[in-house]
Amino acid sequence: DGGITQSPKYLFRKEGQNVTLSCEQNLNHDAMYWYRQDPGQGLRLIYYSQIVNDFQKGDIAEGYSVSREKKESFPLTVTSAQKNPTAFYLCASSISSGDGQSYEQYFGPGTRLTVT
Amino acid sequence: KNQVEQSPQSLIILEGKNCTLQCNYTVSPFSNLRWYKQDTGRGPVSLTIMTFSENTKSNGRYTATLDADTKQSSLHITASQLSDSASYICVVSARKSNYQLIWGAGTKLIIKP
Repeated sequence: DGGITQSPKYLFRKEGQNVTLSCEQNLNHDAMYWYRQDPGQGLRLIYYSQIVNDFQKGDIAEGYSVSREKKESFPLTVTSAQKNPTAFYLCASSISSGDGQSYEQYFGPGTRLTVT
Repeated sequence: KNQVEQSPQSLIILEGKNCTLQCNYTVSPFSNLRWYKQDTGRGPVSLTIMTFSENTKSNGRYTATLDADTKQSSLHITASQLSDSASYICVVSARKSNYQLIWGAGTKLIIKP
């Protein structure tokens, strides 16, 4: 099956702890993205990566970190510096937008993180 | 400021009825406009993508229209089914930035039997 997977589906953490969300794709896409979704709001871009070993901050990168050591994987760490981490996190991938085009993004099923 | 506004926020209709969802945007320069369907607790799934030169595109019972002059789009759902219950999100891409997608907040559609 080709697709993009995220794990776990639900994650609970205590305030002050870092937590890492997994995202894996076997679509052979160069570009990967992390979004945050809050009730009543549009998706907001946290980080994106066009190619292995390269990534860029999105609109709300503060309190988050990422790595892109493999083409298939783009894990997101929610650090204790993120002031309001409870949210639904979505990972996506696409053909690389290196030529300036905006290609269709394919989304994973999401991880719902609750921090108390 | 680049923005995407959707209306209504939520909508309840009976199974079998048609409905139309609206999207207004102020994104410039415009690249393309997409409609996504998002089931509760799931990732969005693309329904249609339209560029500047396209003013209508269909995907089964879903038909999207685009008026680039008035910066408006609509998504029409024909003969609704219970499985159409979901949030429908309008997303506009700005041409000058590789990754700038401006997401609307979505319309939550509930189909009642």
